[in-house]
Amino acid sequence: AQRVTQPEKLLSVFKGAPVELKCNYSYSGSPELFWYVQYSRQRLQLLLRHISRESIKGFTADLNKGETSFHLKKPFAQEEDSAMYYCALSGLGSEKLVFGKGTKLTVNP
Amino acid sequence: DTAVSQTPKYLVTQMGNDKSIKCEQNLGHDTMYWYKQDSKKFLKIMFSYNNKELIINETVPNRFSPKSPDKAHLNLHINSLELGDSAVYFCASSRRREGGTGELFFGEGSRLTVL
Repeated sequence: AQRVTQPEKLLSVFKGAPVELKCNYSYSGSPELFWYVQYSRQRLQLLLRHISRESIKGFTADLNKGETSFHLKKPFAQEEDSAMYYCALSGLGSEKLVFGKGTKLTVNP
Repeated sequence: DTAVSQTPKYLVTQMGNDKSIKCEQNLGHDTMYWYKQDSKKFLKIMFSYNNKELIINETVPNRFSPKSPDKAHLNLHINSLELGDSAVYFCASSRRREGGTGELFFGEGSRLTVL
């Protein structure tokens, strides 16, 4: 079974501070991990995926298979980063994308 | 051009009624999904269709019936609505690829309120 755990429901930081949104997963096969973001009054959209190894809007995430984690990090948070962040998992060859419960990030001025 | 569009955006109805939500995508994708987002913002997959064929059917009451007339459309019909059906329903689509799910493109959501 595919399972994604985001332990923090809410996360609040000040502008310019580092931010880390935690994500742990459980999957017996080869996982594909994603971060999706939902800004206020906007649709859910892909932020980044582990296979592309990109930095998007200053965010990075590294897949750690040993710790079964895919934490999202940004060294200096901006107010416009305030949003709902979802970690998601798909198994290799699977059509099913399973989401974590989400973390609401608030970046204070 | 809107990529994934859902109608209606808001729906308020009484318990016991039957309602439908429609979804259309103009991205040329093969796979479409319905997700339910509850009051705690938890996103749960309900159904997935690939080229009009049902490929994912999570444990959803059979009051929920998806229908895909063609690969660009996936509608959701709900019979005998209950209070617990109140949620935001998101439609999404993706291009099928070897190795699993590609990027999902979401609609804006349809907020259903059952009174």
